[in-house]
Amino acid sequence: DGGITQSPKYLFRKEGQNVTLSCEQNLNHDAMYWYRQDPGQGLRLIYYSQIVNDFQKGDIAEGYSVSREKKESFPLTVTSAQKNPTAFYLCASRPLAGNNEQYFGPGTRLTVT
Amino acid sequence: QKEVEQNSGPLSVPEGAIASLNCTYSDRGSQSFFWYRQYSGKSPELIMFIYSNGDKEDGRFTAQLNKASQYVSLLIRDSQPSDSATYLCAVNREGYQKVTFGTGTKLQVIP
Repeated sequence: DGGITQSPKYLFRKEGQNVTLSCEQNLNHDAMYWYRQDPGQGLRLIYYSQIVNDFQKGDIAEGYSVSREKKESFPLTVTSAQKNPTAFYLCASRPLAGNNEQYFGPGTRLTVT
Repeated sequence: QKEVEQNSGPLSVPEGAIASLNCTYSDRGSQSFFWYRQYSGKSPELIMFIYSNGDKEDGRFTAQLNKASQYVSLLIRDSQPSDSATYLCAVNREGYQKVTFGTGTKLQVIP
């Protein structure tokens, strides 16, 4: 079964803790993306990566970090520096050849209290 | 001005009617246009993409693109209650890796 997996589906953390969200894909896609979605605000790009060991900041990268050590994996760390981390986090991927259509994983809902 | 604008709705249509969802964009260099459907609490699902002016049909869905007027629309024929969701418009500039999303239009299909 090809697709994008994100785990866990729900995550609860105390303020001040770093937390890492998992994203794995077996679609052989080159590019991977992390978005954040808040109510009424649509999707905002956090980081993206086109190839292994390379990634670029999106529009709201402050307080987040990523790594891309394998083509299949693009984990996102929400650090304690992120002021409002509670949100729905979406990972997406796409092949580099194509028309930029992105495919999304099921998402992780992070709640920080 | 937002890069991609959508009316947040909700847009209410009776079952069996045509739902018309609209999206305008500001970047004249935009080349690729996408419609995603997002059910409450779920992730977006790609339902249509269009690159050329005119209409593109896929089953009950038709995407319409007018680059001169900088708008793209999605028509859903024979609307069903299962079509009730938020529809996100997304736009990409050729050569760019980033896609810009609108905030979405909530559609309610009334049985």
